[in-house]
Amino acid sequence: NAGVTQTPKFQVLKTGQSMTLQCAQDMNHNSMYWYRQDPGMGLRLIYYSASEGTTDKGEVPNGYNVSRLNKREFSLRLESAAPSQTSVYFCAIYPQGPWGNQPQHFGDGTRLSIL
Amino acid sequence: RKEVEQDPGPFNVPEGATVAFNCTYSNSASQSFFWYRQDCRKEPKLLMSVYSSGNEDGRFTAQLNRASQYISLLIRDSKLSDSATYLCVVSADGLTFGKGTHLIIQP
Repeated sequence: NAGVTQTPKFQVLKTGQSMTLQCAQDMNHNSMYWYRQDPGMGLRLIYYSASEGTTDKGEVPNGYNVSRLNKREFSLRLESAAPSQTSVYFCAIYPQGPWGNQPQHFGDGTRLSIL
Repeated sequence: RKEVEQDPGPFNVPEGATVAFNCTYSNSASQSFFWYRQDCRKEPKLLMSVYSSGNEDGRFTAQLNRASQYISLLIRDSKLSDSATYLCVVSADGLTFGKGTHLIIQP
């Protein structure tokens, strides 16, 4: 997906393990976002970063931490994975931000299973 | 709580038919509105923005009714490739996503 790259695409973890989901953009946008999508729940915002050096909680931040390493990269960390964190995770960027009138562009997702 | 409500479907529609979805939102301060399309196991992709005067893009027409706080999407001459989940998205002080309407176009 042009502009937003997520790694890994798939991951299986055991309960209690930690891992970091990576997101990088090459569109020079200020705002970056992490969502999770679960069946029947729609997309829910975990954390967002309006600009380099700032991060804010979204709707479902518990169990996650984020780092806005630079303008290009925004990572999501699970310190101690739980089965409830099994989900599809999407990174998104916003051409105007943080909440302008332009649509977001999404990465192609990370499918995470916690056993 | 800010809500965006959609009929989850599925809508089973024969190829060539016209289908319409509605979406209602609760936040009267909402400023921007979008329809996204999401294919199975893929990321959401912008289908079209929704403007106050209504707008059309080929076979797709979007309408906004601010007074009643609903948005609609009309698909004419539906194609098999239109099968997907359609997400209604509303922007106020954040983006709120509907849970999506699942559309299946049948040959």
